[in-house]
Amino acid sequence: DAGVIQSPRHEVTEMGQEVTLRCKPISGHNSLFWYRQTMMRGLELLIYFNNNVPIDDSGMPEDRFSAKMPNASFSTLKIQPSEPRDSAVYFCASTWTGGNQPQHFGDGTRLSIL
Amino acid sequence: KNEVEQSPQNLTAQEGEFITINCSYSVGISALHWLQQHPGGGIVSLFMLSSGKKKHGRLIATINIQEKHSSLHITASHPRDSAVYICAAFNFGNEKLTFGTGTRLTIIP
Repeated sequence: DAGVIQSPRHEVTEMGQEVTLRCKPISGHNSLFWYRQTMMRGLELLIYFNNNVPIDDSGMPEDRFSAKMPNASFSTLKIQPSEPRDSAVYFCASTWTGGNQPQHFGDGTRLSIL
Repeated sequence: KNEVEQSPQNLTAQEGEFITINCSYSVGISALHWLQQHPGGGIVSLFMLSSGKKKHGRLIATINIQEKHSSLHITASHPRDSAVYICAAFNFGNEKLTFGTGTRLTIIP
């Protein structure tokens, strides 16, 4: 079992640049979650998908953030244009919904916007 | 007031000590998660429980639904237990996890 795979592990870029974070969920899982972790706010849900459909994006901070899930095995989180306050660790998690199942987290992407 | 609160925020103990981390929540939940995050950053799900008690090795998690309180215990603590422990309330209806702020545990050899 490969687990949830995120890329890149680290990203450093200048403000104003477009940033794309990628996630491959565990095969067979039907729900995918994007989280952001900062020192000030801890872990926060940004958006989650069920069966590739966005269900709740109320945590997406603003229009600069967008997320897609074109198929069951791939999702992206895009920030355009990026700002220094977007610096954080972004986690992707997946699970099978249909019962109480734990979420499996990726190793995260540490994003630094200069 | 946060919907999920943990205590203590920081805990330092000697190797071998019995550790207790507490979590109180004010939201309705379907289950309570305990997560572990090591320096390095990866997050691992330790337990998911909706009643009673679960045990895995030296780790024990309990929950009291009436009192909206859960505890994570570590017996015979070891330096490799040093990590941030996060509790999260899970709502089956909207699939959301609401996270506590975490407890940073340091076990000194």
